[in-house]
Amino acid sequence: AQTVTQSQPEMSVQEAETVTLSCTYDTSESDYYLFWYKQPPSRQMILVIRQEAYKQQNATENRFSVNFQKAAKSFSLKISDSQLGDAAMYFCAYRDTGTASKLTFGTGTRLQVTL
Amino acid sequence: DTGVSQDPRHKITKRGQNVTFRCDPISEHNRLYWYRQTLGQGPEFLTYFQNEAQLEKSRLLSDRFSAERPKGSFSTLEIQRTEQGDSAMYLCASSPRGSYGYTFGSGTRLTVV
Repeated sequence: AQTVTQSQPEMSVQEAETVTLSCTYDTSESDYYLFWYKQPPSRQMILVIRQEAYKQQNATENRFSVNFQKAAKSFSLKISDSQLGDAAMYFCAYRDTGTASKLTFGTGTRLQVTL
Repeated sequence: DTGVSQDPRHKITKRGQNVTFRCDPISEHNRLYWYRQTLGQGPEFLTYFQNEAQLEKSRLLSDRFSAERPKGSFSTLEIQRTEQGDSAMYLCASSPRGSYGYTFGSGTRLTVV
């Protein structure tokens, strides 16, 4: 079974600074998808960024980028120019390529943004 | 398109009572998922529907839990004889055919007292 590990329960970053959230996963599949989701206090899971395993290029979405290391099974999220609105729980998630496949989540990292 | 709607947002129930939650997915999404999220944890998969067919169930879904999706539209999740361990956030997500993207609802927070 696939597992996703987030070893940082909490992180803190100053406004305008850069922070990196770590995620490792375990799978025997060669093709899969990886995601970072943000869950603010409003509770709705919001997709931040996704990466297809077959793509070597790291995904980027505005201030958010990933460092995908397939051999190391590592998928970290970098948030640049942090903003107060970035404060939330961040979950790393894995999905097989099957059409019916479910998401497997890590335990999350709570990000605090300070002035 | 109003996104994925879940009702109610909060439910407090006494142990032993039955509860039912509803999820209305985005109308063109044929796939619907239920997840459970306990405090300090990531969401855990419960069950999955493709149209009206329930295609996968987690071992977390004990025989006190039942889910339906009549006519492939909205879905209900019922918990019978609730226990304190059922206290959690229940999240619904939907996904369109041919996509690996998901849209999540805001969840139903269940408290069993």
